[in-house]
Formats: sequence, C-alpha cells, structure tokens
Amino acid sequence: EVQLVESGGGLVKPGGSLRLSCAASGFTFSSYSMNWVRQAPGKGLEWVSSISSSSSYIYYADSVKGRFTISRDNAKNSLYLQMNSLRAEDTAVYYCASLPLLGPLYYFDYWGQGTLVTVSS
Amino acid sequence: EIVMTQSPATLSVSPGERATLSCRASQSVSSNLAWYQQKPGQAPRLLIYGASTRATGIPARFSGSGSGTEFTLTISSLQSEDFAVYYCQQYNNWPRVTFGPGTKVDIK
Repeated sequence: EVQLVESGGGLVKPGGSLRLSCAASGFTFSSYSMNWVRQAPGKGLEWVSSISSSSSYIYYADSVKGRFTISRDNAKNSLYLQMNSLRAEDTAVYYCASLPLLGPLYYFDYWGQGTLVTVSS
Repeated sequence: EIVMTQSPATLSVSPGERATLSCRASQSVSSNLAWYQQKPGQAPRLLIYGASTRATGIPARFSGSGSGTEFTLTISSLQSEDFAVYYCQQYNNWPRVTFGPGTKVDIK
C-alpha cells in the first residue's frame, strides 16, 4: 500500500524558516517524480514544487521561487521542502504527492495526509 | 497561466440523483485534465485522468468527458460518501499545472 506521511509543519513567524518532510513507503520511491501541493485554509489547491526521480529536474511555482527548496533522499525514501523567508500567505496545509510512473503525465495519483504550516506573529 | 473555472460553486443534490459538474479552461488543454475528490480534513483523491479514465478503485458511477476547454464530471447516482468538494486540474502546461476553485456537492 502506498503511504506518504508528511511532518514538520507548525507555527512560525513571518520571515522564519521551516523544513517539511515526507516519508514514503509501499512503492519504489526512487522511480517517481514527487511534488508539494498546498491548500490555504478554506481555499483551493496550488502546486508548489516538483522534483524528478533522480533530482535532475526541479521546478517551482513563481510564488515560492527563490524562497523554497525541494530535495529528496532516495536512500531514505524521503522528500523535503525547505521553506525560508516565510510569509503570511504561505499559511496552508502542505501535501506531498506523486506523479504517475508511466509518463510524461502530470496529475497527482497519490497524496499524503498533509501538514499544516501557519505563518503568524 | 491557464485559468480553470468550475461551475456551479455549490451543487445541492439528493442521494440517488445525478450530479453534473463543469470545468472550463481558459485555453485548450487537450485531454490533459484530472478530477479529484476531497472530503473535509482529508487529502484530495484522484478520480479521473485523461479527462475520462477512472483511476484505480474508482466506482463506475463516476465518469468524465470533454476535451479542449470544456469538461464534465458526472456522478450517476449520488451515494452518501460522494458529498465532497471536487476539483479539476489541467496538466497540459507542465510544470504550470493549475486547479479549478472547486465545486462543493452537498445534500439537498
């Protein structure tokens, strides 16, 4: 069974930093492109960042470019999101989500349960 | 950026009835369109990809249609567990994928 478990969320002050983690199990993590998708409270979904299976290709939404860094450790079956210079508008539940193995296809087939990041003074 | 719109914002339906949800793209996305279901406090769940292909384990009462800029998600006979928010997502413009604002299906 595919499992994605996010952690690392919490309350942080504007300008602060936070590192999110996503632990994967039940599939060959190293073969899949992975993503972070966020959802502000009561709002819709916003793609944040993507990283290919071997970390060769990395993409960011304009709203986070230069502030967030996505990375992965295939040996540890883990995905990360380093978030710096946080703003109030970054407040959201952050989900990790996978792209299908057989691509190039860019819908999100498996999702974690999410971790809440709150940016407030 | 491709802007996705969904209508209606809220759809009130009685159990057993048919629900039809619409999604429109600001420019053609071919058939690169997915639908997700999200229940309160839960992560989104993939329902449909390629505009009309059901994801693994999705009941046959869910069907998708359309191409280009106009898409439809139909739930043929609503069950209690289907009351949720539904989002469409275009993935024609990778990595600039975008989601619609959602349609909430609630009990009439």
